[in-house]
Amino acid sequence: GIQVEQSPPDLILQEGANSTLRCNFSDSVNNLQWFHQNPWGQLINLFYIPSGTKQNGRLSATTVATERYSLLYISSSQTTDSGVYFCAAGGGADGLTFGKGTHLIIQP
Amino acid sequence: DTGVSQDPRHKITKRGQNVTFRCDPISEHNRLYWYRQTLGQGPEFLTYFQNEAQLEKSRLLSDRFSAERPKGSFSTLEIQRTEQGDSAMYLCASITWSPPTRGGYTFGSGTRLTVV
Repeated sequence: GIQVEQSPPDLILQEGANSTLRCNFSDSVNNLQWFHQNPWGQLINLFYIPSGTKQNGRLSATTVATERYSLLYISSSQTTDSGVYFCAAGGGADGLTFGKGTHLIIQP
Repeated sequence: DTGVSQDPRHKITKRGQNVTFRCDPISEHNRLYWYRQTLGQGPEFLTYFQNEAQLEKSRLLSDRFSAERPKGSFSTLEIQRTEQGDSAMYLCASITWSPPTRGGYTFGSGTRLTVV
């Protein structure tokens, strides 16, 4: 099956900083999603991005499918951005394989 | 649209008991997924439905696990003869997937199971 690796595993930043989270996947995929899991455990979908670039406010994501990686950019971090960011990949509408996540802490 | 609802939020059960969880997806979504998440890990795919059809169940963790979606609306996940290793968060998600329409998951808040 598909392997998904995320880096870095942990990241501590000051409020206002920018960050880049990376997701590598082992095989071609046509479904790639980014999620934020808040400290209460709720998973929120950030992007459905099997290829290309999308932006939503301070967040943007780029997937280069031919090179099997995706990047999530967070600009001007806020304390509410803290939590775990997961990348998940798969084939179409089948079940997704999640990475182990990047644990982000934004300090005031 | 009230989102994906899961019930109960928490369940504590004794080892060997059977438990059942319920998921109510977003009404217009046609696919429903079950995942399990253990501490410090990403969610792990278990099974999914398109309407009432269960399209993948080989990833269910053992034959003690089963899922149903009898009328293509809500779904249930049952674990028989629970073991301590079953303690985890059980998550449900739904999407609309009718190409060319595709979308990202909407997850419920999950059911946290503790087996004592």
